[in-house]
Amino acid sequence: KAGVTQTPRYLIKTRGQQVTLSCSPISGHRSVSWYQQTPGQGLQFLFEYFSETQRNKGNFPGRFSGRQFSNSRSEMNVSTLELGDSALYLCASSLIILRSSYNEQFFGPGTRLTVL
Amino acid sequence: GENVEQHPSTLSVQEGDSAVIKCTYSDSASNYFPWYKQELGKRPQLIIDIRSNVGEKKDQRIAVTLNKTAKHFSLHITETQPEDSAVYFCAASRAFGTGTRLTIIP
Repeated sequence: KAGVTQTPRYLIKTRGQQVTLSCSPISGHRSVSWYQQTPGQGLQFLFEYFSETQRNKGNFPGRFSGRQFSNSRSEMNVSTLELGDSALYLCASSLIILRSSYNEQFFGPGTRLTVL
Repeated sequence: GENVEQHPSTLSVQEGDSAVIKCTYSDSASNYFPWYKQELGKRPQLIIDIRSNVGEKKDQRIAVTLNKTAKHFSLHITETQPEDSAVYFCAASRAFGTGTRLTIIP
């Protein structure tokens, strides 16, 4: 099976702009989670989608939003970019049968976002 | 929401010795505790996980223990090898710890 893919791999934006990142999960995986990774903060959970609805949400401002499509592909949007949004954004997919359960996550290669 | 604390942030161990990384979590409803290894420039990969109905799980040189009452869990790596050098993350459900950079000294 093909792994988790993310596009684009690199992005450079300026403050105030918005950005959309895309994630394609492993075939058959209905759960997609998004994480922000920075050197000092490790992996911070943004949100998780399961069958097109948001299942969990982390402690990020409303500028960060996401959605999931019927084919399980997911997008993450960040509006009004700030310098502190520069990070590696990772998505991960998981084979989940029950909405309440958790299983191993498979991570994509990430999108490196730089905000100038 | 869930909050996970991980210690230590850095750990250096002589090759062949054991390494222990500890995590605590806040939400007693959490029932899934994975550990991920991230090598430099690569994506995190699961190395072992444990569910709340089990107290210990072992896979060759790696073991994880879970104390539900105290809400803490630990990763144990025995007979460490140079290829064990990486950043290790614990997680409770979807909340991750801040990582431990493990360095194996030859």
